[in-house]
Amino acid sequence: SQQGEEDPQALSIQEGENATMNCSYKTSINNLQWYRQNSGRGLVHLILIRSNEREKHSGRLRVTLDTSKKSSSLLITASRAADTASYFCATGGDSGGYQKVTFGTGTKLQVIP
Amino acid sequence: EAQVTQNPRYLITVTGKKLTVTCSQNMNHEYMSWYRQDPGLGLRQIYYSMNVEVTDKGDVPEGYKVSRKEKRNFPLILESPSPNQTSLYFCASSHLLGVETQYFGPGTRLLVL
Repeated sequence: SQQGEEDPQALSIQEGENATMNCSYKTSINNLQWYRQNSGRGLVHLILIRSNEREKHSGRLRVTLDTSKKSSSLLITASRAADTASYFCATGGDSGGYQKVTFGTGTKLQVIP
Repeated sequence: EAQVTQNPRYLITVTGKKLTVTCSQNMNHEYMSWYRQDPGLGLRQIYYSMNVEVTDKGDVPEGYKVSRKEKRNFPLILESPSPNQTSLYFCASSHLLGVETQYFGPGTRLLVL
């Protein structure tokens, strides 16, 4: 079953603008991750935020997590054309004694030069 | 170079003709997993393995088989492929205590006629 749902499904912005993507999930989690996928290629892990953290930064990426609302957001600042990709959130939770990771449906970001 | 490799990258086959997609990782990871990606559905887990000879079903295991005889290899077997298995398939691996940070292969695009 799908855990994370991203919003919006697609986003188109001009280079230099900020891009914000949101992820909502349904059950309690241990952590939440964001991955990036260039067209038709494998996913690349971007950043992980644990359930006891509220905000995390990595370069131009900023992730927030609100466990009370069961939501997370990914902000990409000063976007570049090379940021054009699909972005997926993935939730990590306990399942039968091990960590299960469940991916959402993704946000397709287009950055126009 | 640390990587997950998959073969073949592209495959066209006919209904009922058995096929195997290979996956290999060189990072000594315990955990390996297969996902399929379909438009609008995101990534869905097919099977996973926590170590040699330890495999379990994911969310969509019907019509698939796996084996884990060696730590580095995790082949996906379609005994009798059907058109609804046309999809983009990804293999991923991680350390068992780091399942939230998975390394993905480049993907295998399968078309079943």
